[in-house]
Amino acid sequence: AQSVAQPEDQVNVAEGNPLTVKCTYSVSGNPYLFWYVQYPNRGLQFLLKYITGDNLVKGSYGFEAEFNKSQTSFHLKKPSALVSDSALYFCAVRDREVGFQKLVFGTGTRLLVSP
Amino acid sequence: EAGVTQFPSHSVIEKGQTVTLRCDPISGHDNLYWYRRVMGKEIKFLLHFVKESKQDESGMPNNRFLAERTGGTYSTLKVQPAELEDSGVYFCASSQVSSSTGNTEAFFGQGTRLTVV
Repeated sequence: AQSVAQPEDQVNVAEGNPLTVKCTYSVSGNPYLFWYVQYPNRGLQFLLKYITGDNLVKGSYGFEAEFNKSQTSFHLKKPSALVSDSALYFCAVRDREVGFQKLVFGTGTRLLVSP
Repeated sequence: EAGVTQFPSHSVIEKGQTVTLRCDPISGHDNLYWYRRVMGKEIKFLLHFVKESKQDESGMPNNRFLAERTGGTYSTLKVQPAELEDSGVYFCASSQVSSSTGNTEAFFGQGTRLTVV
């Protein structure tokens, strides 16, 4: 069965510092991996995805994520955090072979960037 | 271009009542999905439409939930009768049909926050 783990309920970082939001996954085959963000009173917004190719994926708002197959991880990163990055972040996986249109999400990580 | 829209944004109903949630996908998107997030937990898949057909409804919790997508445009999700554990945020998403793989991202609506009291 597919699953996603986001081990941190909350990540606190000071503005200007680098940030990392962790995600590990488990799928039977090769995954498609996604990050979504939910700002207060807004829907889920797509940030970035890994399909194939370069393990470092760049996305919206300066975010990037690194696919690590051996560690089955897809951590979200940003070199310099902004207060406006404070939001709820969800990692998601989609199996290429089984039920390939269905996303499996993690529980979410709340990012709090302090001024 | 309009995104995925959901109505209502909030709904508070009493246990035993009926509620109907509506989702309008992005125009031209054949795939439509319903997901639910119960407080503090993961976002869970409920079901997937391709046009008007149910492709996968493996995530529907029980027969109190009924989803429809007549004409392959907007979709409704009806909960009848509602129970306390149905409270949560219901998200709708849509995506284009990919040519051969599932790598197209889904676009989500703002969600409907359902509270059953």
